[in-house]
Amino acid sequence: EGQLVESGGGLVQPGESLRLSCVASGFTFSIWEMNWVRQAPGKGLEWISYISKSTTTMYYADSVKGRFTISRDNAKNSLYLQMNSLRGEDTAVYYCATLRDAGSNRRFDPWGQGTLVTVSS
Amino acid sequence: IQLTQSPSSLSASVGDRVTITCRASQDLKNYLAWYQQRPGQAPKLLMYAASTLQSGVSSRFSGGGSGTDFTLTISSLQPEDFATYYCQHFDTYPPWTFGQGTTVEIK
Repeated sequence: EGQLVESGGGLVQPGESLRLSCVASGFTFSIWEMNWVRQAPGKGLEWISYISKSTTTMYYADSVKGRFTISRDNAKNSLYLQMNSLRGEDTAVYYCATLRDAGSNRRFDPWGQGTLVTVSS
Repeated sequence: IQLTQSPSSLSASVGDRVTITCRASQDLKNYLAWYQQRPGQAPKLLMYAASTLQSGVSSRFSGGGSGTDFTLTISSLQPEDFATYYCQHFDTYPPWTFGQGTTVEIK
């Protein structure tokens, strides 16, 4: 089924930047579209970004558009999220997730274990 | 597209039959998935295409519905099923929003 492992989270001050990484193993990373999903403490899940397998297409949630950039390096089986101008409301656990299949069969599987980002002064 | 789950939380006993509803603001055909999230863990895929059981998931879970109304049913609640459940739509383009979650607690 494969595994995803995120890293790069931590404590940063408002206005600072952070780069998250997600490394894939056990499956052919380059053929799958990828996503980032976050979860604020005690809150629900929020989809925030998508990237196509060839990096030609990216989408962002309105809440992060213009501040976050998704990218990938298929040679390194890696997905990234560059987060700039961080705000307190960006405090969350960030998950990477693989988009499987197409059409009605689409789903997120597998997910990484998550990495915590805390934005606070 | 907005997804509204009901109830937001419920209390049930081991062995109970539990049904969670997810209502969409637009026609989703059957482009809907369900996830289970236990405290401190990542979400786990249970169901996709509204009613297709993910490989390895117990058959006590079932999904149904199409269009704007969907259900996730647990036929006989087990101790490991106490968790929060989320629906997610897969309309043609993102944002692929989630419902707000339904927490199943022990009565």
